[in-house]
Amino acid sequence: DVKVTQSSRYLVKRTGEKVFLECVQDMDHENMFWYRQDPGLGLRLIYFSYDVKMKEKGDIPEGYSVSREKKERFSLILESASTNQTSMYLCASSSPAQVPYGYTFGSGTRLTVV
Amino acid sequence: KQEVTQIPAALSVPEGENLVLNCSFTDSAIYNLQWFRQDPGKGLTSLLLIQSSQREQTSGRLNASLDKSSGRSTLYIAASQPGDSATYLCAGTTSGTYKYIFGTGTRLKVLA
Repeated sequence: DVKVTQSSRYLVKRTGEKVFLECVQDMDHENMFWYRQDPGLGLRLIYFSYDVKMKEKGDIPEGYSVSREKKERFSLILESASTNQTSMYLCASSSPAQVPYGYTFGSGTRLTVV
Repeated sequence: KQEVTQIPAALSVPEGENLVLNCSFTDSAIYNLQWFRQDPGKGLTSLLLIQSSQREQTSGRLNASLDKSSGRSTLYIAASQPGDSATYLCAGTTSGTYKYIFGTGTRLKVLA
């Protein structure tokens, strides 16, 4: 069964800590995405990548960075965590060759910054 | 900028009812459409995908349709069951992009 795996389901971090959220997919997908989900705001795109070493800012990149050193892994980095980054973080992957084209999501990471 | 509206925001129905969830896009030029289910605290599970050349897709008790002229999609759930209780999200892409834009979802509760 194809999968997108997010390394942690729940994380609690302190303000100011550097936080790494990991996402790994086993489908050889070119595209990978990081979203955050907040009540009433829906899913908002933070960063995305269409290839190894490639990254593009989404709608809300401030306070975040990403790394894609290998095709299967896309990491989201909170350089200095703040309480307003408490959220559900969702990783998705996709392939431009897939017809019809669609996302596969991981199970999410619930991050709490205290 | 593309925006996606889902109506209603919440819905509570007795078991066995047929129901319709609605989704509309400000930019009607939808290229791909995807409906998801999300259980509390979990990730999104893909239910149905409609590509640009299609108008509808069916899977079991679920049927999704896309009216490209109006930029509206509906998800029809037949003979609803308590296990269908979840939040349902629609998302679409426009031509030339691989990024899906999401609605805020419809929270469905099916009462036994």
